[in-house]
Amino acid sequence: AQKVTQAQTEISVVEKEDVTLDCVYETRDTTYYLFWYKQPPSGELVFLIRRNSFDEQNEISGRYSWNFQKSTSSFNFTITASQVVDSAVYFCALSEALNRGSTLGRLYFGRGTQLTVWP
Amino acid sequence: DTAVSQTPKYLVTQMGNDKSIKCEQNLGHDTMYWYKQDSKKFLKIMFSYNNKELIINETVPNRFSPKSPDKAHLNLHINSLELGDSAVYFCASSHHNPLVGSTDTQYFGPGTRLTVL
Repeated sequence: AQKVTQAQTEISVVEKEDVTLDCVYETRDTTYYLFWYKQPPSGELVFLIRRNSFDEQNEISGRYSWNFQKSTSSFNFTITASQVVDSAVYFCALSEALNRGSTLGRLYFGRGTQLTVWP
Repeated sequence: DTAVSQTPKYLVTQMGNDKSIKCEQNLGHDTMYWYKQDSKKFLKIMFSYNNKELIINETVPNRFSPKSPDKAHLNLHINSLELGDSAVYFCASSHHNPLVGSTDTQYFGPGTRLTVL
C-alpha cells in the first residue's frame, strides 16, 4: 500500500493565484516525520519543510504555508500569490521514526505534483 | 560550498558496460542514501548506509553495489548496465539521532542522469 498519496498529478494556475497541493499519508507509527521537497526543471531536489507528528501547528514561510491535520492524515501545502518560478514538481514524503534498523531514515515519497504557473 | 555532490552529472553508456557514480557530503552526516528516480519521476530508495554500515538494501539487482569508504562518501557501482537502468540517481545524506530513533532531514545531491543505449 502506498504510504504517501498525492492525488493531483498536474496543476496549472495563472500567476498570482493561490494553489494548494494535497498530500495524504498512511502510517501505523505514532512518531513520524513529514516533508515537502521541490524539484524545479533544473532537476535538483530542494528541501522545503520537515514536520514531526507531535507538532500540528500550521507553518508559514513567506508565500508558503503548510496545513498538518492528523485527523485526516493530511499535510497540505499552499502557495499564495504563485509566481512562474514556483513551477516545479513538488514531492510530499514520510519517514517513520521507530528505531528499527531496517527502516532507518527510509523516506517514502508520493508520486509528486507537477505545478505549472503561467505568466 | 556544495553540501552533497555527485559525479558525474550526466553519464551516457552502452548496454553491458560497468560504471560508477560517486557521492560526497561535507555536512558531517553519518547516514547516506541512494535513490532512483524513474522516467515518471517516482523516487524510490535503493540503499542506505549509517556509519559505513549497510542498513537499507531494497530489492535492487545485485548488479548494483554500493560502497562507503568513509562516512562522507557513498559510491554506487553498476555492472552489466541494462536499458532499464536509465534513470536519475540521487545521493542524499542525513544525521541519525539514536536517542529518539529519528532521522533528520535528508539533503540531496544534484542527481546523476544515467542513459543506457
